Amino acid sequence: NAGVTQTPKFQVLKTGQSMTLQCAQDMNHNSMYWYRQDPGMGLRLIYYSASEGTTDKGEVPNGYNVSRLNKREFSLRLESAAPSQTSVYFCASSEASGRGSPLHFGNGTRLTVT
Amino acid sequence: EDQVTQSPEALRLQEGESSSLNCSYTVSGLRGLFWYRQDPGKGPEFLFTLYSAGEEKEKERLKATLTKKESFLHITAPKPEDSATYLCAVENPGGGADGLTFGKGTHLIIQP
Repeated sequence: NAGVTQTPKFQVLKTGQSMTLQCAQDMNHNSMYWYRQDPGMGLRLIYYSASEGTTDKGEVPNGYNVSRLNKREFSLRLESAAPSQTSVYFCASSEASGRGSPLHFGNGTRLTVT
Repeated sequence: EDQVTQSPEALRLQEGESSSLNCSYTVSGLRGLFWYRQDPGKGPEFLFTLYSAGEEKEKERLKATLTKKESFLHITAPKPEDSATYLCAVENPGGGADGLTFGKGTHLIIQP
């Protein structure tokens, strides 16, 4: 049982390049999330998908787009990378069946934009 | 304004030296408060959910408690393998599917 799988694990981009971060979960969860984690800032929500077919902005959505491809997969795209997007990106999923459903996280993608 | 504030930012203890980590929150109508553990290079790992004041949950050397304004993570007789960053989070108000808001974490080091 893999849980939440993120690819790639590491990536280096030049300013202006684009890339897509992939995320897949095998727990049949309804909701999926993208967070970024920066030193001194904690985890901040970028986008989320409450259910298949829906996506919504979180706290820090600027510069990103997302696609909920199916119930299992949720991708995050950087169209034109900027140094401020250097961060560790975590995907998470949740049953979201009611109050108190925990999020289950992948092990992250470490992105450096030069 | 921060909804979730954790203290201290960092804590160094000797093996066996018990202590507590604090998480204070300012959201109204708390739906759920969560504790996670994060090891270097890994994603956060779920530990506990607390729903209402007075609730307690335990797992091995860890016990989480909740009041109307804060939560504590008590660590009893810690071992070096308890070294990690501990994160506190509250459920966002949108009905359970719109994620969690996290504090910045407490970096705990247990020295042998």
